[in-house]
Amino acid sequence: DTEVTQTPKHLVMGMTNKKSLKCEQHMGHRAMYWYKQKAKKPPELMFVYSYEKLSINESVPSRFSPECPNSSLLNLHLHALQPEDSALYLCASSQEQGLGQPQHFGDGTRLSIL
Amino acid sequence: QKEVEQNSGPLSVPEGAIASLNCTYSDRGSQSFFWYRQYSGKSPELIMSIYSNGDKEDGRFTAQLNKASQYVSLLIRDSQPSDSVTYLCAVGRDTNAGKSTFGDGTTLTVKP
Repeated sequence: DTEVTQTPKHLVMGMTNKKSLKCEQHMGHRAMYWYKQKAKKPPELMFVYSYEKLSINESVPSRFSPECPNSSLLNLHLHALQPEDSALYLCASSQEQGLGQPQHFGDGTRLSIL
Repeated sequence: QKEVEQNSGPLSVPEGAIASLNCTYSDRGSQSFFWYRQYSGKSPELIMSIYSNGDKEDGRFTAQLNKASQYVSLLIRDSQPSDSVTYLCAVGRDTNAGKSTFGDGTTLTVKP
């Protein structure tokens, strides 16, 4: 069991659907991250939130929209996704952004776009 | 040249042997180094973090860092079949807003 909880674990959606991925941590971490991981590839950073403010957007298409309602929650809103967006989406958190902090990952949401 | 390079493997060792996983990085200003293991279909799990030159031991795992040569390695003593997973090296630079760059991973197979 991880201390970073992601829901849902699996999601299948059509290209016209709107859905959201959710991530929650109660470790008091102030930095939260979204990663995308394709099979047999390393995680690719998408977004970083620090103290509930967007700190890094790695040129992610606007069909992905992150949101950080409070220090424990991180959402990723999805709209008009493409089949190539099918991947494992990982949420992670660390005590602070930077300062050499290790990141703790959730179990991920496996997303399939039809 | 990739920022973080690992041998993709698979690396095969017999049970009970020492497995040695290597990682090199290109950014000489890197300051934080992490080893994760990732079971197929699961999330990366932090094994070790190391920040200064030398060795750091935790149970059967030893991380070794040599900043002058820009490599970090992970030694697994008394390898077990349950250690057969993919190991990811991640390198970070505090001035880079906390971004960690991951290597492609090395798949280890421990044969009984």
